[in-house]
Amino acid sequence: QVQLQESGPGLVKPSQALSLTCTVSGGSISRGGYQWSWIRQHPGKGLEWIGLIFHTGSSYYNPSLKSRITISVDTSKNQFSLNLISVTAADTAVYYCARVLGRSAFDVWGQGTMVTVSS
Amino acid sequence: DIVMTQSPDSLAVSLGERATINCKSSQSLLYSSNNENYLAWYQQKPGQPPKLLIYWASTRDSGVPARFSGSGSGTDFNLTITSLQAEDVAVYYCQQYYSSPPMYTFGQGTTLEIK
Repeated sequence: QVQLQESGPGLVKPSQALSLTCTVSGGSISRGGYQWSWIRQHPGKGLEWIGLIFHTGSSYYNPSLKSRITISVDTSKNQFSLNLISVTAADTAVYYCARVLGRSAFDVWGQGTMVTVSS
Repeated sequence: DIVMTQSPDSLAVSLGERATINCKSSQSLLYSSNNENYLAWYQQKPGQPPKLLIYWASTRDSGVPARFSGSGSGTDFNLTITSLQAEDVAVYYCQQYYSSPPMYTFGQGTTLEIK
């Protein structure tokens, strides 16, 4: 059974970069038919899709964040990563990684990691 | 962007009764080439990640109890929970995956409580 686990710093200073990694276990990230995504949830709020990546490296981003984000994949480590630059307090959120089931829904989620942007 | 609007924002239902949550999209989620509606429903309990309940508008994910069902087409969708159980207390979200290139959007969420 595939499991996802986010990792990264819980505190980031304003204007710096937020970097998170999602480690996939129980299955290969290179398996066809899936994509890999990042989603965030501001405290007490709803869900915001950040972007996704194929194991080939092709990626798609939320236009509202596109200028600040990069999602990359390392198939040798079975990981994919999120890099968000120039963070502000508005980027404080729980960040989830998730698997996209084909061209459809998010069927497997990590537990989420809380990232606070503060000096 | 496709805007997803859920109603109501919160809902209180007695144990054993039916709960229905509505989700409307700003454009049709029905893809004509395969006659599928590109809509999913999730359940999120406090401190947990969302859990996929329904995709393709009406297909239950593996292990999801049969009391959860999805219906609707085009721009109007419902999530129905028959015979509400205490463990169903959660926030429920709808989500569209119709947009191409991908630009997934979620509804604002509906909080379901026990009356």
